[in-house]
Formats: sequence, C-alpha cells, structure tokens
Amino acid sequence: EIVMTQSPASLSVSPGQRATLSCRASHSVSSDVAWYQQEPGQAPRLLIYGASIRATGIPARFSASGSGTEFTLTISSLQSEDFGFYFCQQYKNWPLTFGPGTKVDV
Amino acid sequence: QVQLVQSGTAVIKPGASVKVSCRPSGNIFTVYFIHWMRQAPGQGPEWMGWINPRTGDTLYAQNFQGRVTMTSETSVNSVYMDLSGLTSNDTATYFCALVGATRGWLDPWGQGTLVAVSS
Repeated sequence: EIVMTQSPASLSVSPGQRATLSCRASHSVSSDVAWYQQEPGQAPRLLIYGASIRATGIPARFSASGSGTEFTLTISSLQSEDFGFYFCQQYKNWPLTFGPGTKVDV
Repeated sequence: QVQLVQSGTAVIKPGASVKVSCRPSGNIFTVYFIHWMRQAPGQGPEWMGWINPRTGDTLYAQNFQGRVTMTSETSVNSVYMDLSGLTSNDTATYFCALVGATRGWLDPWGQGTLVAVSS
C-alpha cells in the first residue's frame, strides 16, 4: 500500500498571503495525484488531478506541481473561501490512498 | 453538472449492518464507476472499494473484505454500500464519488452520510 503523508498538519495564513502545502508518497506514483478541498461538514471538491491540472472551474490562484514522490499545492493569494481542509490522493496503485490532510485557517 | 445524492444519517447498534444509497442526478451509469470512501472527523478519507454499475463488478479494499457489499440497481439509477458487523470504529461519514475509470480522481462526491454506531 502506498502511504501518503502531508505537511504541515495545520497552517495559519492571513487573507492575501500565499500558502504552500506538501504531499509525499511512500513510493513513486508518477503524476497520478489529485488534490481536494473540503469545508467543514461538506463533501470534498476536486481541485487538481494529474498532479498539476486544475479541475473545471478552479481559480488560477490554485496551482500544483510534482511527480514521483513529492507534490506541492500552492494557493497564491488566499481568499476567505479558501480556508478549510486539504488532502491529496494517489491513484497509481490499489488501494487508492489519501493523505491525512492539512488544515488551513486564519 | 452531475450530482450524487446519498441517503440520510443512520444510527446503528453494534453488530448490526447499514445500507447507504447513492443516486446520481442523471443517467451516468454507462460511463462511470462509483467509488465509496469513509472519513472520520479530522482525518483523510479511507477508500473502501468500487462498483461498475453496468456489470455489477466490484473491487473491495482488503480492510473491508468480508464485511462490505456494493450493489447497483439500474432500474432506479442507484448504487448501495452495505457494511456489516458494525463497531464504534465504523462511526464515520461515508461518501460515494464518480470516477471515469476503475482508478482515477474522484469527481464529484456525494454529500456524505453520517453513520453513527451506538448502543
């Protein structure tokens, strides 16, 4: 099983600042990584797939990069609606696995 | 935009089973697979398995083998996830989601179903 880890566990950021979130895979997953945003009590929303491709309707302030075992999600200028919980997922191998998440708050 | 609608909150006694339903807003069974995940508060999701609604083919995560059953009922455009032998460790929010192949990114997700196991 591929283990996904994320850092930091939580991140305090002011509106307008940049946030950088990291995700690491225990084995290479090529570019088969997705990122999701989740607000409290809500379903996750797909942000990124293919390690760097923004999903439909996702603002350009969200960008992502990486391949192999190291991945990064960057929010260039945090808006109030961006605060929440973010997690990564690999879909290279079975079982699909998720990171433990990063909480982004003020 | 396809949406997935899940059944409501379930409170279940230890040792019993729960059946959660997931229904897409359109007839998308011809092109999608349905995956199921669960999520405990403050944690990342845990993948449980997938079902091909057209054929009934399934793949279950090893952690749930023998306890989970995923089925589809195309006549009512719904899929179901049945989890048996519930314990307090199974208390979580359960989600269904679409994938365009057996393995991939999950989009969209259902709104989630809280399953609380309590005596």
